[in-house]
Amino acid sequence: GAVVSQHPSRVICKSGTSVKIECRSLDFQATTMFWYRQFPKQSLMLMATSNEGSKATYEQGVEKDKFLINHASLTLSTLTVTSAHPEDSSFYICSAPRGGDLYNEQFFGPGTRLTVL
Amino acid sequence: AQSVAQPEDQVNVAEGNPLTVKCTYSVSGNPYLFWYVQYPNRGLQFLLKYITGDNLVKGSYGFEAEFNKSQTSFHLKKPSALVSDSALYFCAVRDDNQAGTALIFGKGTTLSVSS
Repeated sequence: GAVVSQHPSRVICKSGTSVKIECRSLDFQATTMFWYRQFPKQSLMLMATSNEGSKATYEQGVEKDKFLINHASLTLSTLTVTSAHPEDSSFYICSAPRGGDLYNEQFFGPGTRLTVL
Repeated sequence: AQSVAQPEDQVNVAEGNPLTVKCTYSVSGNPYLFWYVQYPNRGLQFLLKYITGDNLVKGSYGFEAEFNKSQTSFHLKKPSALVSDSALYFCAVRDDNQAGTALIFGKGTTLSVSS
């Protein structure tokens, strides 16, 4: 099956620093990727839609200047948490539909656990 | 607006017994429905989907789900539960009028299968 990877799997940083999370589709191209945030024992909340070659679309309430998204190629999207604070600590998950069929099942990365001290 | 409800935070069943994890949805158009499973510290894994066709959908690991349009439900079922089925299950939906949008997830249901 299709594979989506994320790097790093776990990161601990100091408050005020920036953290970059990578999401890669390993065996397919993805013009669209999605970034979710998951709090412990809660559902996935969509943060933004990453579009290759254009600006990301952010969900209401998500600060675009804080969560910078760059979809530089058909296999890579990055999420940068700028000036991270403890409340940004969470599990960040990306996903991508394979083959450009947005009605097909999405493949999810394993997630990145961010802890901000 | 699209929404998904999973009314049970936790479902407990004994190994070998049938299990049901409930899901209801709300969309303006026709629904595209999905079930995913999440094991601790791992990404979501696709179980099954309903796009069109037969209302009974069979998926991975012996799971199945039945699409019921009149009840706007898409309950996940398995005839005989295994301890290894214990995990967090998410129902998700996309409206066919919302092309290009991400899935909307329910809050998740923790399935606990006891031996």
